[in-house]
Parts: sequence; C-alpha cells; structure tokens
Amino acid sequence: QTVVTQEPSFSVSPGGTVTLTCGLSSGSVSTNYYPSWYQQTPGQAPRTLIYSTNIRSSGVPDRFSGSILGNKAALTIAGAQADDESDYYCVLFMDSGPVVFGGGTKLTVL
Amino acid sequence: QVQLVESGGGVVQPGRSLRLSCAASGFTFRNYGMYWVRQAPGKGLEWVALISYDGSNYYYADSVKGRFTISRDNSKNTLFLQINSLRAEDTAVYYCARWVGPNNYYMDVWGKGTTVTVSS
Repeated sequence: QTVVTQEPSFSVSPGGTVTLTCGLSSGSVSTNYYPSWYQQTPGQAPRTLIYSTNIRSSGVPDRFSGSILGNKAALTIAGAQADDESDYYCVLFMDSGPVVFGGGTKLTVL
Repeated sequence: QVQLVESGGGVVQPGRSLRLSCAASGFTFRNYGMYWVRQAPGKGLEWVALISYDGSNYYYADSVKGRFTISRDNSKNTLFLQINSLRAEDTAVYYCARWVGPNNYYMDVWGKGTTVTVSS
C-alpha cells in the first residue's frame, strides 16, 4: 500500500521561509504524480494552493511555490505570515486509481 | 460563482444509514469527476469515494468499501453518498470536491462540509 509521507509539524518565524515536503514510502515523487497542495485552517474547508507540482491556484499569492526537491515534492512558503499557520496536505495522483493523501503538516508561525 | 454545498449530515446511531448530498452550481457539473473526502475529529483528510463525470466509474477507499455508495444525478447537478451500517469511526466532516483531469489532476473546488456523528 502506498503511503505518502509529510513532516507532522514544522515551525517558521514570521517573514521566514519554510519548505514542506511530500514523499513516498517506497520510491520517488516525480511530476508524473501531479503533486498538489492544500491548506486548511481549523474548522474550514481545504483550500487548493498548488497543482501539477508548481502551478498556483487562482488567487494564491506567489509566496507559495511548488517544486520537486530530490525525490520529494515540496511546498515552499516565503515571507511567512501569521495567517499561514495552518495544516498543509499533499496529494499524489496514482494512475492506477484515485489519489493518496499525505498525513498533513501542521505549520506554526512564531 | 462556482459552488459546492453539502447537506444531509447529522447524529446517527451505529448501524443506521445516511445519505449525503452535494449540490453543485456555477459550472457544468456533468463535465467533472467528483470526490468525497472526510476528516475525522483531529485527524487528516481521507478520500472516501470518487465518481467519474458520467457516473460510469467509481472507486472506494478500502475503509468504506461495501458500505458506501457514491452516485450522481447530472440532471440535478447533485452528488450523493449513501452510507450504510454506520460505525463510530465514520464520524467526520464530509466534503465534496471537484476533480480536475486530465492533464492536470487535482481537486480545485471544495464544499464547506457536512458533519456526520455516529453515536448511540
């Protein structure tokens, strides 16, 4: 069974830069998995940030960027702000069927 | 504007059934696959079911296979999730999400969710 791995938690200082990653329990993440990233604050629905590795969804500030770093997908937040404090989920597309969600990263800005 | 609105959640006893709905508006519903995604209290997101744009193909997470049925009525722009034999572990917020593909594969529009609580 495919497991998508994310850091459980991360912290960043206001104005700082942080990179969250998304890996596979077995193998490497490539653009063929069309990695996407979603932001969720408590009590709210997820918000789409990035799709197809590095394409920002409409209205998403360019402080958010996606990439492949080594064997993982990555979400980089530059100039972190207080309202970036959220949970971030990575999703990978599997051509054998539906997607797989990562366990999420809880980002703290302090 | 593009919108998804879930309904049908509530407090239900174990073993009972529930039918969730997701009303779509602002886009051509019949052109898109649709997901149900749930989130148990304090837990991460978990995909539950996927249905193709025309309803001819569907997939279920192993955790719900045999108990959940996804369906859609394209004439009424509505997605459904029939949940049978409810268990405590089905307690969650259930979101519907629009699935974009091919060429790009992601969920681009989400509803606000409907809460299902399984309790005696």
